[in-house]
Amino acid sequence: DGGITQSPKYLFRKEGQNVTLSCEQNLNHDAMYWYRQDPGQGLRLIYYSQIVNDFQKGDIAEGYSVSREKKESFPLTVTSAQKNPTAFYLCASSILGQQPAGELFFGEGSRLTVL
Amino acid sequence: GDSVTQMEGPVTLSEEAFLTINCTYTATGYPSLFWYVQYPGEGLQLLLKATKADDKGSNKGFEATYRKETTSFHLEKGSVQVSDSAVYFCALTPGAGSYQLTFGKGTKLSVIP
Repeated sequence: DGGITQSPKYLFRKEGQNVTLSCEQNLNHDAMYWYRQDPGQGLRLIYYSQIVNDFQKGDIAEGYSVSREKKESFPLTVTSAQKNPTAFYLCASSILGQQPAGELFFGEGSRLTVL
Repeated sequence: GDSVTQMEGPVTLSEEAFLTINCTYTATGYPSLFWYVQYPGEGLQLLLKATKADDKGSNKGFEATYRKETTSFHLEKGSVQVSDSAVYFCALTPGAGSYQLTFGKGTKLSVIP
């Protein structure tokens, strides 16, 4: 079955450590996204990419980095510069050119806890 | 900028009760509107959508009508089930080729037997 796979599902990190969250999709979608979800705050966009080797900052990119070396993969690195990294992270993808724009397919998420 | 405002939860209903979750938006142009649902421990799934004024989106017994005059997209279901317990997010994309979604804060629904 086609879909989006995020790993790990749960991750614990010590302060000062960088961690990388994996996101892989086999839907052949061009666009991929990373969102952060905090209780009572909804989803906030971290980064997105519409094409390989290109990506744009979202609303809360500080302290995060991404790469898009392959169409299928869009890993997110949470760096030590991120002041409050404990959150639920969601990866999503979409087809470019579809109408209406905005229908996203989500992975099951990765929960990061900083100890 | 664009924004989405949802009624605050949590909402607790008995099984077979009528559900309304209010959603209003602020956007320029002609946005497309969406409701997403998140079941416990999972990612989000698209529940329904509407692309222009007076469109009604529907799925799994849920409905929402795009009301441009009141800038609203309220979610309704006539008879909720325990399995409907989830967090519901209203969202918009501004249209004009934009692929970025703006989400509301979510409304948690709990349905008790």
